[in-house]
Amino acid sequence: AQSVTQPDIHITVSEGASLELRCNYSYGATPYLFWYVQSPGQGLQLLLKYFSGDTLVQGIKGFEAEFKRSQSSFNLRKPSVHWSDAAEYFCAVGESGGGADGLTFGKGTHLIIQP
Amino acid sequence: EAGVAQSPRYKIIEKRQSVAFWCNPISGHATLYWYQQILGQGPKLLIQFQNNGVVDDSQLPKDRFSAERLKGVDSTLKIQPAKLEDSAVYLCASSLVRAGGYTFGSGTRLTVV
Repeated sequence: AQSVTQPDIHITVSEGASLELRCNYSYGATPYLFWYVQSPGQGLQLLLKYFSGDTLVQGIKGFEAEFKRSQSSFNLRKPSVHWSDAAEYFCAVGESGGGADGLTFGKGTHLIIQP
Repeated sequence: EAGVAQSPRYKIIEKRQSVAFWCNPISGHATLYWYQQILGQGPKLLIQFQNNGVVDDSQLPKDRFSAERLKGVDSTLKIQPAKLEDSAVYLCASSLVRAGGYTFGSGTRLTVV
């Protein structure tokens, strides 16, 4: 069964500083990988996704993520965070084979931005 | 395009009562998912529909939860009877093509007291 680990429950970053959120997955084949952001009381917004090809993926709001098969990781990065980036971030993995393709999510990382 | 619509936005019920949630996916999206998100956790898939057929309901507690998607469009998720541990946000999502990107609704926040 597939699984996702987000090792950091909370991360605090100063505004303007760089950010990296960690994500490790367990999946037998090449997975589909996603990062979502969730603001309080809101649904999930897709930041970026990886299916195949270039392992460095660009997303919305200046985010990027790099797929590293050897490390089973898909870390999310942003060079300079803004106060509006404060939210909950979820990494998710989906099946690349046929049939069911519902996502398995990590427990999330809560991002706090210091002024 | 219009997003995934869910109602109600909030619901408070007593344990052992029943409750139903409604979801209207993006027009043309054949695949519909229901997720349960307990406070402090990531969403967990409950059920996946392809048109009006069930693709995956392996994590749906079938003794109390049921879901249907009549005519392959709208869907309802029902809990009967509710337990305290069912307190969560219930998210609906839809997608046009396989792994093409899932669009989530804003969810229904259920509190069981």
